[in-house]
Amino acid sequence: DIQMTQSPSSLSASVGDRVTITCRASQGIRDDLGWYQQKPGKAPTRLIYGASTLQSGVPSRFSGSGFGTEFTLTISSLQPEDFATYYCLQHTTYPTFGQGTKVEI
Amino acid sequence: QVTLKESGPVLVKPTETLTLTCTVSGFSLSDARVGVSWIRQPPGKALEWLAHISSNDGKSYRTSLKTRLTISKDTSKSQVVLTMTNMDPVDTATYFCARIPYCRNTICYDLPDFWGQGILVTVSS
Repeated sequence: DIQMTQSPSSLSASVGDRVTITCRASQGIRDDLGWYQQKPGKAPTRLIYGASTLQSGVPSRFSGSGFGTEFTLTISSLQPEDFATYYCLQHTTYPTFGQGTKVEI
Repeated sequence: QVTLKESGPVLVKPTETLTLTCTVSGFSLSDARVGVSWIRQPPGKALEWLAHISSNDGKSYRTSLKTRLTISKDTSKSQVVLTMTNMDPVDTATYFCARIPYCRNTICYDLPDFWGQGILVTVSS
């Protein structure tokens, strides 16, 4: 299975900060990657798919980039509702998630 | 409006078999491209992909759990069923089902877009 290494595992930030989260794949996955946001007690919601395509309805402060083995999720100006845990997910072969990044105040 | 809802027991004993049902609405399990996956999340831990089934009945399982998992679907009832045998306390988790816009045979070419609310299953004697 392809391993997804996500970093950092947690970060502290303030409203208005720019935040970057990284996922590295153990082998090339083209752009078969997405990003999810999960709040406590809730199901994840899709933010990005195809590495850089913004899901309809998701604010434009979220963006994704990368191809092959290295990918990033950027939140350009953190808002109070963005404090959550974020996961990457690859689907080139059998799908695998990253370990998650908890974004805290 | 696409919805998915998980149902099943919330408490199972060690060594028992778990059967979970995902009932979908707003789309059909016979839609040419649609698939459904099962994903779990142990308390305080990361998400784990368990299995998925495609529109043409292709199935794929998590390698480490392959011998314990079975996924199936009943298109007429709009249900996808996951069974997991020989349950253990480490299998305690919230189990989610999710729609995948494009799966074919054993490969999914897209990511889950709609998720159920999840069901917390506890394994304890």
